[in-house]
Amino acid sequence: DSGVTQTPKHLITATGQRVTLRCSPRSGDLSVYWYQQSLDQGLQFLIQYYNGEERAKGNILERFSAQQFPDLHSELNLSSLELGDSALYFCASSVFYTSNTGELFFGEGSRLTVL
Amino acid sequence: QQQVKQSPQSLIVQKGGISIINCAYENTAFDYFPWYQQFPGKGPALLIAIRPDVSEKKEGRFTISFNKSAKQFSLHIMDSQPGDSATYFCAASLPFTGGTSYGKLTFGQGTILTVHP
Repeated sequence: DSGVTQTPKHLITATGQRVTLRCSPRSGDLSVYWYQQSLDQGLQFLIQYYNGEERAKGNILERFSAQQFPDLHSELNLSSLELGDSALYFCASSVFYTSNTGELFFGEGSRLTVL
Repeated sequence: QQQVKQSPQSLIVQKGGISIINCAYENTAFDYFPWYQQFPGKGPALLIAIRPDVSEKKEGRFTISFNKSAKQFSLHIMDSQPGDSATYFCAASLPFTGGTSYGKLTFGQGTILTVHP
């Protein structure tokens, strides 16, 4: 158990809808990262927050947004969903400011299926 | 420039054999190279990591070999066991220099390792 909690584990929705994925980092970790894992794209970095502030951005679509709250949990909002958004979304946390300093701890992921 | 290319996509090894997974990168500014292991239904977990100032790092049966001039690094799993069957990801990250480029761990496409008993 990594200590990172993601909800929901599975989500099925229709095209055009909006969903919110939630992540609770390990106790004491200030950084939260979101990754998208699909069969053909591997693990793609979406966005990172550190202590409530956006710190780094990857290939995150404009239809997607995220935030980190004062209690350090984070939410990833996906809107106007398309079939291609079906994927496994991982949240990871670390105590460090950047991902090249040490270990990222990943949750078990939220599997999104868009029909 | 931000890509990390991993091969092979899948690998089948007999118990007791050596598993070798290779990764190549273009951006010479990368300075941190971790390997993550992912079991079905779980998130990736850090296995071992290396920085470019060393050519090899060993932890138990797992060894990273790093070739800075060739811009390649590889994971060797000695005495492979059925419990090692998982997906392995290499990754690379830029140093902290500010801006939006830091904090981005770029992953390879993954290698599905199957170790037969």
